[in-house]
Amino acid sequence: DIQMTQSPASLSASLGETVTIECRASEDIYNGLAWYQQKPGKSPQLLIYNANSLHTGVPSRFSGSGSGTQYSLKINSLQSEDVASYFCQQYYDYPYTFGAGTKLELK
Amino acid sequence: QVQLKETGPDLVQLTQTLSITCTVSGFSLTTYNVHWVRQPPGKGLEWMGAMWNGGGTDYNSAFKSRLSISRDTSKSQVFLKMNSLQTEDTAKYFCARDYDGYWGVMDAWGQGASVTVSS
Repeated sequence: DIQMTQSPASLSASLGETVTIECRASEDIYNGLAWYQQKPGKSPQLLIYNANSLHTGVPSRFSGSGSGTQYSLKINSLQSEDVASYFCQQYYDYPYTFGAGTKLELK
Repeated sequence: QVQLKETGPDLVQLTQTLSITCTVSGFSLTTYNVHWVRQPPGKGLEWMGAMWNGGGTDYNSAFKSRLSISRDTSKSQVFLKMNSLQTEDTAKYFCARDYDGYWGVMDAWGQGASVTVSS
């Protein structure tokens, strides 16, 4: 199975700040990577797919980048509604696997 | 409007079988794939398996032969059945739809069914 190592596990940032979350795959996943946002008590919501494609309706302050085994999610100008947990997921190979998540809080 | 809704028991006894139904609307099961993903309390997400639009299935080998996924297209329902439940199977179980043309990217999720395995 492809292991997804996500960092940091938690993150505290101020409104308006830029934050970056990293995800490393145990092997090349050829941009088969998605990012999800999950607010407490809710189901995950798709943010990014294909490593850098913004899903419909997702604010442009979210962006994804990377290739090979290293990927990142960047949130520009952090808003209060961005407080959530974020998960990366590889869909290059079965079984699909997720990172352990990053919990983003406001400072 | 695309919707998925999971229904199932809140409580299942140790070693018994879990059955959850995912009822979908706004799309056809013969066009879109549907996945099952679970999340233990306070933990991360785990992909369990998929019902492909052509009727085939794939499973995470972590569940060995405990897991079965099936569907009834006439009722727009996908079923999850897992036997020999243990306390570590306590989780919220989600069904989710594949994003158009991107197998494995999940763009619509149900609200989840919370299941507690009790002895």
